Amino acid sequence: RKEVEQDPGPFNVPEGATVAFNCTYSNSASQSFFWYRQDCRKEPKLLMSVYSSGNEDGRFTAQLNRASQYISLLIRDSKLSDSATYLCVVNTNAGKSTFGDGTTLTVKP
Amino acid sequence: DTEVTQTPKHLVMGMTNKKSLKCEQHMGHRAMYWYKQKAKKPPELMFVYSYEKLSINESVPSRFSPECPNSSLLNLHLHALQPEDSALYLCASSQERGSPLHFGNGTRLTVT
Repeated sequence: RKEVEQDPGPFNVPEGATVAFNCTYSNSASQSFFWYRQDCRKEPKLLMSVYSSGNEDGRFTAQLNRASQYISLLIRDSKLSDSATYLCVVNTNAGKSTFGDGTTLTVKP
Repeated sequence: DTEVTQTPKHLVMGMTNKKSLKCEQHMGHRAMYWYKQKAKKPPELMFVYSYEKLSINESVPSRFSPECPNSSLLNLHLHALQPEDSALYLCASSQERGSPLHFGNGTRLTVT
């Protein structure tokens, strides 16, 4: 079983749609959690940190459920510019970051 | 604009060449990383330096040799690579191990 598993995608949605990505992790000792965005042929960029209390940044909401070892990312009112690959990242207390395989989102006009 | 600078952007090398990838950050971060990324795959961790000491080596072949000359610089020395080593090599830094990663633009390496 992979340490971090993501929805395989791809997701193809119209502009304005709401889309949710899910991620599960296997190491219960994991300490910190993030969502990154990666555009084609570019480096990954931090989108959001993820907390148990949930956090929101504009149209983006991230949630962590430690009991279920589950992370989610919700994007509301999708824009064309949201098209990218979204990577779930889980850190152990040794500071090792493990990436999920990524979920590709295409937002169409 | 990235605050982690990698050079060169592109590198083509033969299997007998020796080359080095360079990475620099001036954010005062104490952890630096090398990742390898193949097409349509996530980044794979290679090495982690924390306070200029190697703290994680993910069983990387010895033809890849990391070096951290100081807290701002990270090098990856390459020797006798194989064509399957062709990939995007990403450097990253973070405030501490476990903090969010800041990636450089990467070096796209082709081994012929």
